[in-house]
Amino acid sequence: DAGVIQSPRHEVTEMGQEVTLRCKPISGHNSLFWYRQTMMRGLELLIYFNNNVPIDDSGMPEDRFSAKMPNASFSTLKIQPSEPRDSAVYFCASSLGSGGSTDTQYFGPGTRLTVL
Amino acid sequence: AQSVSQHNHHVILSEAASLELGCNYSYGGTVNLFWYVQYPGQHLQLLLKYFSGDPLVKGIKGFEAEFIKSKFSFNLRKPSVQWSDTAEYFCAVNPFGNQGGKLIFGQGTELSVKP
Repeated sequence: DAGVIQSPRHEVTEMGQEVTLRCKPISGHNSLFWYRQTMMRGLELLIYFNNNVPIDDSGMPEDRFSAKMPNASFSTLKIQPSEPRDSAVYFCASSLGSGGSTDTQYFGPGTRLTVL
Repeated sequence: AQSVSQHNHHVILSEAASLELGCNYSYGGTVNLFWYVQYPGQHLQLLLKYFSGDPLVKGIKGFEAEFIKSKFSFNLRKPSVQWSDTAEYFCAVNPFGNQGGKLIFGQGTELSVKP
């Protein structure tokens, strides 16, 4: 079985440009999570969805960030406009259940974003 | 502020040495606890988790962790490390009981095992 799939794996862009990161969760999983990993702040949850509905977006840093999950097999994280401080590795994870506290989250390989 | 703390940022060991990585959290009430590992160039993988019951949890690859509620700790251990254990290790806490899947991660501990 394929795990969580993320694309692109690497993205280099210039400040001010729009960036779209993509995630395909494991088939049958009901919850999807977006994380950001930086040296300064470690791994932070940005937002998570259950059954395609955003449940908690309190980690989204600002209005420049938006996330959508139009169907059970696809989610996007968009940054517009991008800034150098957005440079990080962005991970997507999915879990089988309703996103409950005992669910195991399965992580994708991440997208390394560099904003120049 | 409520947080998850991993005491060591970088640990260097020789093969066959014993390992203990510390993790403390500051949330009260019911918590669920996880250790994830990230091997070089790979994504995070679950090592083990604790929800309830026996506070000594065994995971994959010979790892175990002990939940000590009174100390708010969930330390990771392995009796004898191998070169292949070189990776970054993350402790994570879900402090919300059954109210959702939000994980709070520690800063991570980088483990380097010398052959």
